[in-house]
Amino acid sequence: EAGVTQFPSHSVIEKGQTVTLRCDPISGHDNLYWYRRVMGKEIKFLLHFVKESKQDESGMPNNRFLAERTGGTYSTLKVQPAELEDSGVYFCASSQDGRLGNTIYFGEGSWLTVV
Amino acid sequence: DQQVKQNSPSLSVQEGRISILNCDYTNSMFDYFLWYKKYPAEGPTFLISISSIKDKNEDGRFTVFLNKSAKHLSLHIVPSQPGDSAVYFCAASDPNYGGATNKLIFGTGTLLAVQP
Repeated sequence: EAGVTQFPSHSVIEKGQTVTLRCDPISGHDNLYWYRRVMGKEIKFLLHFVKESKQDESGMPNNRFLAERTGGTYSTLKVQPAELEDSGVYFCASSQDGRLGNTIYFGEGSWLTVV
Repeated sequence: DQQVKQNSPSLSVQEGRISILNCDYTNSMFDYFLWYKKYPAEGPTFLISISSIKDKNEDGRFTVFLNKSAKHLSLHIVPSQPGDSAVYFCAASDPNYGGATNKLIFGTGTLLAVQP
């Protein structure tokens, strides 16, 4: 069974440009999460989809970030325009349901460097 | 304001000895805790968890202890193996997330190096 896959694995863009990160969750997982780790700090929650609906987007830093999950399958996270402080690793994760203790599986992450 | 803290950025242990990784939290409403392990260039993988109704949970070489009065938990790895070398993240489930949650609040991680 394929795990959570993310693309691209690495991206280097200039300040002001746009980047779109993609996440394919494990098949059948209705719950999809985006997390971010900036510069060796803690991994922080960005948002949570249940199928195609945004359950919680309270962790999104600002309106330069837009996440979508069309059709409840894969998800994209767009950063436009990118700023230097957006550099970090963006992790996508999925779980079968949102119940406490239900294992959440992480992808390998998309490394974003804004220069 | 960090609610989950891992004050040791790194830890070095000899193979075969015990590794003890520590984690403190500030929110007394937290009721479920997890440890994740992360190898370089990989995503975090679930290791072990504990509910606040317990003070210990064991899975093979890994044991998590929870001290609610001190708001402290620790992960013990015995015996430590070189393959255990990784970054270990402590996480708590967000109690404000309506009950059923995989919205996690992570610490900053501790890099464990197990020396052969």
